[in-house]
Amino acid sequence: DQQVKQNSPSLSVQEGRISILNCDYTNSMFDYFLWYKKYPAEGPTFLISISSIKDKNEDGRFTVFLNKSAKHLSLHIVPSQPGDSAVYFCAASARRKGSTLGRLYFGRGTQLTVWP
Amino acid sequence: ETGVTQTPRHLVMGMTNKKSLKCEQHLGHNAMYWYKQSAKKPLELMFVYNFKEQTENNSVPSRFSPECPNSSHLFLHLHTLQPEDSALYLCASSQVEGGAGTYNEQFFGPGTRLTVL
Repeated sequence: DQQVKQNSPSLSVQEGRISILNCDYTNSMFDYFLWYKKYPAEGPTFLISISSIKDKNEDGRFTVFLNKSAKHLSLHIVPSQPGDSAVYFCAASARRKGSTLGRLYFGRGTQLTVWP
Repeated sequence: ETGVTQTPRHLVMGMTNKKSLKCEQHLGHNAMYWYKQSAKKPLELMFVYNFKEQTENNSVPSRFSPECPNSSHLFLHLHTLQPEDSALYLCASSQVEGGAGTYNEQFFGPGTRLTVL
């Protein structure tokens, strides 16, 4: 039973436009969410995170939005650049005391392609 | 060396071989992880070590045997593997803080691409 879902395996966006990657989760105990980016032949690299006490976190061109009632988060990249082409993984964990701490649950990833 | 390193980067082995994957983190973290990534599947957590103690074994077959001699090094010993064990094996580390054991972001190594013939 997959607790973190990325329903779009791929996304293609023109350079300069906005990329929106979506992620849904089912476990209401999750209170910390992360996005990782992965290039071929490399391990995932941490991109941005958000705690459940916030609904938005911004870092440069990257913004993550969290909608707790819908159990949905999204990553916005604007403007998109060809170097952003990679697989993006959404991950979630439950960091509160008494829960299964430390375990990250990953989605299957979305391949983003940014074309010139 | 910086970050998380893994050796070898590529490994081809027969089903009767014994081999080991090595991971080293240079970040001063106190928790380390092994993940498996198979084609078209999400990352699967295999083992978690917190302060060198194994805190989670995610129903991994005994043909995979982890070893954590200190907080900077993590090994995955492999023996009598099956072709379906062919995958990318990723090591990660993070810092556990506070009495509640809050885990921060995990940093990944480049992975070992394993092929079992």
